[in-house]
This record gives sequence, structure tokens and C-alpha cells, in this order.
Amino acid sequence: NAGVTQTPKFQVLKTGQSMTLQCAQDMNHNSMYWYRQDPGMGLRLIYYSASEGTTDKGEVPNGYNVSRLNKREFSLRLESAAPSQTSVYFCASVEYSGNTIYFGEGSWLTVV
Amino acid sequence: QKEVEQDPGPLSVPEGAIVSLNCTYSNSAFQYFMWYRQYSRKGPELLMYTYSSGNKEDGRFTAQVDKSSKYISLFIRDSQPSDSATYLCAMLSGGYQKVTFGTGTKLQVIP
Repeated sequence: NAGVTQTPKFQVLKTGQSMTLQCAQDMNHNSMYWYRQDPGMGLRLIYYSASEGTTDKGEVPNGYNVSRLNKREFSLRLESAAPSQTSVYFCASVEYSGNTIYFGEGSWLTVV
Repeated sequence: QKEVEQDPGPLSVPEGAIVSLNCTYSNSAFQYFMWYRQYSRKGPELLMYTYSSGNKEDGRFTAQVDKSSKYISLFIRDSQPSDSATYLCAMLSGGYQKVTFGTGTKLQVIP
């Protein structure tokens, strides 16, 4: 049972380049999330998807887009990367009751 | 003002000490309270979860919630070097699956 799997683990981008972070969960959870984690800022919600077919903005959505491809997969896209998007990105999924969040291992993104 | 406030530390204690980690919150709608542990370069993992005021114990860990004061705590007894990590509190309001995290407290347990 893999849990939450996200790729890539490490990526370096040049300013203005685009890329997509992939996330998949095998726990049949309805809700999925994308967070970014920065020193002193904690985990901040970028976008979430309460169920297949729906997505909503979180606390810091600017510069990002998401796609809930199916129940398993939730991708995060940076259309034109900026140095301010250098961060660690975590995908997570939540069981229906909402009391347990399962996180992926993280994706370290550097924008130069 | 942030909805959830957590002292970032770092907190350094000797092995065997009792550790107290705390968070305060301002949103009265929060009903579910969680503590996550995050090792360096890893994703957070759930330690404790509770939804009522009072204490919940699991081995060396005790989670305490005081809804009247909007204050939650995590106590670690007989702390071990393997407890060295960042601890994040997290809160959820019922019927709405958006979780708000504290910024995390970095703990170091010195052998």
C-alpha cells in the first residue's frame, strides 16, 4: 500500500518555465490537497479538491493551477515559475471523516 | 492575526525530560485537533487526534485540549533522541475539510 505518492522529488526550474507536480493516492479518499511549506510559514494550503470533479482555492493559490484528473490523481501546475515559488510542496489526501491527513514525501522545487 | 499560533522554537531538552508543546487558536469553529510529527526532509505523519476537551493518551504522548481557552498541548514523557523532529498542530472545523496548521515547533532531544 503506497499511500500518497508524489513526483518529482526534486526539481530545479528557470524563471518562466512551467512544470507539473503529480500526486496519486491509493486509499480511495475523496479529498486531496496541495500545500507548500516554507521556513517560518508552516504548511499553507494552495488548492484542494473535496471530491472528484471539484477544486477550490486555498490560502495561496496565485501562480498555480490544479487538475483533479480522477479520484486517485491531483496535479499541481506552475505555468510560469517564479523564484517566490521555491518551496517544498506536499500533496495530501483525507479520509471522509476528515480527521486524518496522509501526506506524500514532498517535492523540493527550486526556481532560479 | 493567524488562526493558529505556535512557538517555532527551537526547543532543546535532555533525554528523559518531559516536553510540552503548545498551540493557541482563534477560530471557535475548530472541532478536531491533531498533532503531526515531521522529520527532516520527510512529510508530516499523524501522532495524535482528538475532538473533545480533555486529555488523550497514547504511550509516551498525551494530547490536551482546552476549548474554553482555545489552547492545545502535546506532552512527551521520557523524551528520546528519536523524538527530535518538528511538531505541527493542526485543526479542522466540522463539515469542512480544510485543515489549518501551526507553523511547527522544532524539538531537539539531547542524549
